[in-house]
Amino acid sequence: GEDVEQSLFLSVREGDSSVINCTYTDSSSTYLYWYKQEPGAGLQLLTYIFSNMDMKQDQRLTVLLNKKDKHLSLRIADTQTGDSAIYFCAAVYNFNKFYFGSGTKLNVKP
Amino acid sequence: DTEVTQTPKHLVMGMTNKKSLKCEQHMGHRAMYWYKQKAKKPPELMFVYSYEKLSINESVPSRFSPECPNSSLLNLHLHALQPEDSALYLCASSQDRAGGHEKLFFGSGTQLSVL
Repeated sequence: GEDVEQSLFLSVREGDSSVINCTYTDSSSTYLYWYKQEPGAGLQLLTYIFSNMDMKQDQRLTVLLNKKDKHLSLRIADTQTGDSAIYFCAAVYNFNKFYFGSGTKLNVKP
Repeated sequence: DTEVTQTPKHLVMGMTNKKSLKCEQHMGHRAMYWYKQKAKKPPELMFVYSYEKLSINESVPSRFSPECPNSSLLNLHLHALQPEDSALYLCASSQDRAGGHEKLFFGSGTQLSVL
C-alpha cells in the first residue's frame, strides 16, 4: 500500500505565505492531489499535479513536486482567514485507490 | 452540476437498528466511493464501485453493505453497528477513465452516531 505523511499543524499570519508539506512512498502514483476540508464538510479538490511535472501554479496556489525525494508541497500565497482548514495530500494507487495523508491543520491568525 | 449529494446529514442509531445512507451525483461519473472518516483523521477507503460493479472492498465488516442501484446512486446499508462505527461517512465520485486522470468529488458527508 501507500504511506502518505504530513505535518499536523501550521500557524501563519494573514497575508503571509503558507507551505504545507507531504511525503509519499509509492512512486507509481501518476497524479498527486491537494484537498481542503472545512469543519463539518466534505473534501474539496484544490489542485493536482502530474507526476512528470515539477511545479504547477494555480492563482494563489503553487504545487512543487520533487519526485526523487517523493516530496510534495502546497504553497498558498497571501493566506487569508478563509484558508483556515485541514489540507490533505493524496496519491492514487492502482488507478482509483486514493490514499490520503494525515492532514495538516492550517490556522490563519488575523 | 458538480455536486455529490448525501442524505441524511446527521444520523443517530442504536446498535439494533437498520438504516441506510444515500448518495447521488449527476455528473455522469462511473465510479463511486464510500469513505469513513474519524475525527482528526484522514478519510479511509471502504468501497469502490466502477460501472455499477463493486471493484474494491477494503475488508469492511459485513454490517456495512453497499449497493449501487444505477450509475447515479450509491447506498450504504447499516445493520448491527457498534459505537466505534460512529464517524463521518463520505461519498465520492469520479469519471473512471481507464488509465486516465481521476479527480474525486466529495459529498458533505453523513455524521453517524451509534449509541
